[in-house]
Amino acid sequence: GAGVSQSPRYKVAKRGQDVALRCDPISGHVSLFWYQQALGQGPEFLTYFQNEAQLDKSGLPSDRFFAERPEGSVSTLKIQRTQQEDSAVYLCASSLVTGTNTGELFFGEGSRLTVL
Amino acid sequence: GDSVTQMEGPVTLSEEAFLTINCTYTATGYPSLFWYVQYPGEGLQLLLKATKADDKGSNKGFEATYRKETTSFHLEKGSVQVSDSAVYFCALSAAGANSKLTFGKGITLSVRP
Repeated sequence: GAGVSQSPRYKVAKRGQDVALRCDPISGHVSLFWYQQALGQGPEFLTYFQNEAQLDKSGLPSDRFFAERPEGSVSTLKIQRTQQEDSAVYLCASSLVTGTNTGELFFGEGSRLTVL
Repeated sequence: GDSVTQMEGPVTLSEEAFLTINCTYTATGYPSLFWYVQYPGEGLQLLLKATKADDKGSNKGFEATYRKETTSFHLEKGSVQVSDSAVYFCALSAAGANSKLTFGKGITLSVRP
């Protein structure tokens, strides 16, 4: 497709369940980012990939969060043993260039996770 | 750490009114500064950017000037349209550490006909 595609768009999970969120970046984009956006807040950085290498995972809130991009294209964000505080919109973004200083990030519409 | 502060919202304006949305930042060195916009039902998209002091970013009639002395990057538009109704986010990318954007909370703009 022409843009960043995320699935599922909506996910409801019971507390303690594992969830997996998928991101299809724009073809050929080197950089891929995951952000978490709580209601009424701005996006908060989770992790950054340059091709298949995860160069920065400093924003992952706990070891229950795990992200991968094994072939340098599609990425999956996995949350184990979900908690209510994990409820948020998870945004994926990709960029043609490395880093964030000059290039434009293209965002998907997000995956809204609700943990009951 | 790095941070971005945006004025409190929401903001409601009549069509053709002048718009200013304030943004100030805290960062070491000289970050790159951005405004992203999220239209209803769409993902965030870059509106404009400035990568060094005194640069002016502009797009779609919007402008913002990188002011190092006041650590600000206020967004302005001379005459808003109904189609400008959206959520606006100010963001920075720290100098050197270029793996992430730090966003403000965002502000909702509603423009009435």
